[in-house]
Amino acid sequence: GAVVSQHPSRVICKSGTSVKIECRSLDFQATTMFWYRQFPKKSLMLMATSNEGSKATYEQGVEKDKFLINHASLTLSTLTVTSAHPEDSSFYICSASLGQGGTEAFFGQGTRLTVV
Amino acid sequence: AQSVTQLDSHVSVSEGTPVLLRCNYSSSYSPSLFWYVQHPNKGLQLLLKYTSAATLVKGINGFEAEFKKSETSFHLTKPSAHMSDAAEYFCVVSGASGTYKYIFGTGTRLKVLA
Repeated sequence: GAVVSQHPSRVICKSGTSVKIECRSLDFQATTMFWYRQFPKKSLMLMATSNEGSKATYEQGVEKDKFLINHASLTLSTLTVTSAHPEDSSFYICSASLGQGGTEAFFGQGTRLTVV
Repeated sequence: AQSVTQLDSHVSVSEGTPVLLRCNYSSSYSPSLFWYVQHPNKGLQLLLKYTSAATLVKGINGFEAEFKKSETSFHLTKPSAHMSDAAEYFCVVSGASGTYKYIFGTGTRLKVLA
């Protein structure tokens, strides 16, 4: 199946700093990628839809100035958590699809963010 | 709007006994449905998917699920549980038709007892 690579797998940052998480589709082009957040022992919540060459579409309640998404190419989307605070600590996962004709999205390995 | 309900937050079974994880969905169109497994501090692994083909779907590691439109259900089963099956399981329905915007259930934690 298609491979989605997410980097880093773990990151610890200080409160007030920004952290960038990368999501790459390794062997296919993804015009659309998705970013999810998972709170401890909770389900995954969709944060935003990342569209190549255009602005991301954020779900209700997600601060777009806090979680900056850039989809600069067909194989790379980035999520930047700006001015991170301890409450931003979470597991972030991206997914990408093959587009038209595909039947599923493929998930990255996830990034564990800890803000201290 | 699409939604999915996982009826049990925790399920415990003995090793070697059958597993049943229940999932009901709501969709305004013919949905795509998936089961994913997540081991502690790991990403998501696709177990199986239903995309309007055969209603009985076989997945990896001996898991299977049956799509029942009349009951709006997509329960996950396995004849014989193994210790390595202990994990969190998510039932997922696709979002609006033609997109890959997934709606996740709240998850079922499967515990396998020796």
